[in-house]
Amino acid sequence: EAQVTQNPRYLITVTGKKLTVTCSQNMNHEYMSWYRQDPGLGLRQIYYSMNVEVTDKGDVPEGYKVSRKEKRNFPLILESPSPNQTSLYFCASSFQVYNSPLHFGNGTRLTVT
Amino acid sequence: GEDVEQSLFLSVREGDSSVINCTYTDSSSTYLYWYKQEPGAGLQLLTYIFSNMDMKQDQRLTVLLNKKDKHLSLRIADTQTGDSAIYFCAERGASNTGKLIFGQGTTLQVKP
Repeated sequence: EAQVTQNPRYLITVTGKKLTVTCSQNMNHEYMSWYRQDPGLGLRQIYYSMNVEVTDKGDVPEGYKVSRKEKRNFPLILESPSPNQTSLYFCASSFQVYNSPLHFGNGTRLTVT
Repeated sequence: GEDVEQSLFLSVREGDSSVINCTYTDSSSTYLYWYKQEPGAGLQLLTYIFSNMDMKQDQRLTVLLNKKDKHLSLRIADTQTGDSAIYFCAERGASNTGKLIFGQGTTLQVKP
């Protein structure tokens, strides 16, 4: 089944403890992206990647890192999480950056205490 | 700048049709999308329409696009209680970030 898989679905952590949220797609998509969803602020793009080894900042990149060493994987790294990073995170992918629909994973609900 | 607007809430009775409306500002948008989000779940791509189309039908879903007025609508025929969710309109304009611009989401409540 074609899908975007994120892990974990739920994560509770403490301030400053490094964490990684994994994202994998099995559709051979070139483009991948991370969003966060917050009440009243909607969905905002964190980082995106046009292809392997090509990543760039979205609208809210502070406090996050990404890597794209393989086409299928696009992990989101929080080196030193803070409570303002408590949010619902979505990974998404599409065949290319233009003219193709974006498919989302099921989300990761992160709580930083 | 780019902006997408939706009404926040719609309540219908089971079996009725639901119409969710959306307006957008980016005239360069090539794709316009509808996503569904159920409580605690991810964003499910429901349907999408090319900007050179006026209408797209997919089973119970009908999307209408008025490009002149930058107005998009999603009609759900024979609405069921399982259709209760938040529906997001989104556009993917000419930005080289590939970013989706989402509306605030319309909460659809279906009463039995």
